[in-house]
Amino acid sequence: ETGVTQTPRHLVMGMTNKKSLKCEQHLGHNAMYWYKQSAKKPLELMFVYSLEERVENNSVPSRFSPECPNSSHLFLHLHTLQPEDSALYLCASSQERRTGRESRNEQFFGPGTRLTVL
Amino acid sequence: DAKTTQPTSMDCAEGRAANLPCNHSTISGNEYVYWYRQIHSQGPQYIIHGLKNNETNEMASLIITEDRKSSTLILPHATLRDTAVYYCIVRVVSGSARQLTFGSGTQLTVLP
Repeated sequence: ETGVTQTPRHLVMGMTNKKSLKCEQHLGHNAMYWYKQSAKKPLELMFVYSLEERVENNSVPSRFSPECPNSSHLFLHLHTLQPEDSALYLCASSQERRTGRESRNEQFFGPGTRLTVL
Repeated sequence: DAKTTQPTSMDCAEGRAANLPCNHSTISGNEYVYWYRQIHSQGPQYIIHGLKNNETNEMASLIITEDRKSSTLILPHATLRDTAVYYCIVRVVSGSARQLTFGSGTQLTVLP
């Protein structure tokens, strides 16, 4: 148990479906992340919400839409996905400092959602 | 963030020390070395990090060379549960850089 939970753990969806992945952290952190891990590929950062800013990887298609209503919850809304979007989607959180002294920046990861797009 | 190079795979006998190398020859002065591991079908787990001094915690030891161009993660007494992909990452920890850039890592297999 890392203090980061993700639901659902497994999801199968068609290309015309709309679904959402949910992440919740119980660690009091102020930054949350979405990563994608495709088979045989390194983890790829998709989105970061940190200190009330959103940072995104410009290569992420618009069919992925993140939402961060508060510092404890993070969603990834999915619509009109493609089969190549099938992957493990991982959420993480960390405690970031705005300026000054270094922070450990240790990221705590959830167990992931295994997504299959048919 | 600086690029890292790790062997694709390594084996280690159970109970022996596992020494995982990482090259980061382009590391800059404000970049730290982080190690994470990912057990199959789980999220990555933080292990240890350091700047230039050797570090030790309850999980592992991190040895960084004096020129900081390479490092070694040491699991002193490997168990079967240490079988995982180990990632070496270099990154700044202050300012706006918050990204962890994962490479392909080293698949460590601990053999009984």
